[in-house]
Amino acid sequence: DIVMTQSPDSLAVSLGERATINCKSSQSVLYSSNNKNYLAWYQQKPGQPPKVLIYWASTRESGVPDRFSGSGSGTDFTLTISNLQAEDVAIYYCQQYYSTLPYTFGQGTKLEIK
Amino acid sequence: QVQLQESGPGLVKPSQTLSLTCTVSGGSINSGGYYWSWIRQHPGKGLEWIGYIYYSGTTYYNPSLKSRVTISVDTSKNQFSVNLTSVTAADTAVYYCARFPDSSGLIDYWGQGTLVTVSS
Repeated sequence: DIVMTQSPDSLAVSLGERATINCKSSQSVLYSSNNKNYLAWYQQKPGQPPKVLIYWASTRESGVPDRFSGSGSGTDFTLTISNLQAEDVAIYYCQQYYSTLPYTFGQGTKLEIK
Repeated sequence: QVQLQESGPGLVKPSQTLSLTCTVSGGSINSGGYYWSWIRQHPGKGLEWIGYIYYSGTTYYNPSLKSRVTISVDTSKNQFSVNLTSVTAADTAVYYCARFPDSSGLIDYWGQGTLVTVSS
């Protein structure tokens, strides 16, 4: 299985500032035939299921504010939240959907307001 | 709009079988194109795949649970189910049903989740 490792496990950021979450995969999730990274980011708020924010590493899901952005390729990826808002407090997960099943998740990063 | 809803007992005794059903509305399991999955989340922890099933009955199970898990589908009721045998306190978790397309593993719809507690 591909192992997904996120860093940090938690972070606290001031309102209006930028939050950066990293995700590293144990092997590349870049599919050479279509040049797509099979990497998604999810947001989970308390008492709710996760919700997809970003897929193909950098494509925002419809309705997701543009302060959320994804970058990276191969094995190293970043979720950036600019101009942090109070409603962004959540746990964020990366997920690879490249390999044969299962499509593993990272362990999660808890984002709080400083 | 596709909706998934988990149902089943919220309390299961140790050594017994945990059984949950996911009812799908707004879309047909039988139309194909999607895997129907179970994912759990231990209190305060991350997400763990239990397994998934295709409408044809093809299944995948997490190797760590494979000896205890069965996922089945009832296309006539537009439902799929999970049975987890010989449960212990370590199986206490929120159980989610979810869907992802067979062309990618991106989960597009989730149920709200149901907390199952294993306790005598």
